[in-house]
Amino acid sequence: NAGVTQTPKFRILKIGQSMTLQCTQDMNHNYMYWYRQDPGMGLKLIYYSVGAGITDKGEVPNGYNVSRSTTEDFPLRLELAAPSQTSVYFCASSYSMESHTQYFGPGTRLTVL
Amino acid sequence: GQNIDQPTEMTATEGAIVQINCTYQTSGFNGLFWYQQHAGEAPTFLSYNVLDGLEEKGRFSSFLSRSKGYSYLLLKELQMKDSASYLCAVRDSNYQLIWGAGTKLIIKP
Repeated sequence: NAGVTQTPKFRILKIGQSMTLQCTQDMNHNYMYWYRQDPGMGLKLIYYSVGAGITDKGEVPNGYNVSRSTTEDFPLRLELAAPSQTSVYFCASSYSMESHTQYFGPGTRLTVL
Repeated sequence: GQNIDQPTEMTATEGAIVQINCTYQTSGFNGLFWYQQHAGEAPTFLSYNVLDGLEEKGRFSSFLSRSKGYSYLLLKELQMKDSASYLCAVRDSNYQLIWGAGTKLIIKP
């Protein structure tokens, strides 16, 4: 099993550009999450999904969009990138809401200039 | 508001014992988690506590006191590879994880 994979690993965007961060898991997990991690701050939940076709906002959803058309994939879309979106983005998955473990992807380091 | 507090940085010596504390104030409680994160890598799960007391797993132990809103992670027989950030997280009433900023642990020979 590859677990949770994310692409790209690194990206530099100009202000106002858009991009999609890809996330795929092969563990047949129902729950998937997008977090951002800023230096000196805890992980912040952007969006999460409880299954294909169902998504919901987390703590910091503004400026982002998600979709979940399959169990495996959970892409994160940035529209009109801003410097405040410079961060490391982690995708994670878990079998259920009560699961003890979330499995994280390797992260995408995004810089917006 | 919801808040997780843990020290920013700690230093310890190889072979010694270190205790990393975490205090929390959250809307509801459905478990406390410790994750390890090496620099430039993803967090990986270490331990889970939902009842008061000590959970032991090899060189790592985690303690919880729900009445005090307090947990600690105890690392024994420290090795250089334990140099990492240790993240405390609490699952709130909505079953979402609230994360602390992490404690960077530096191990010296």
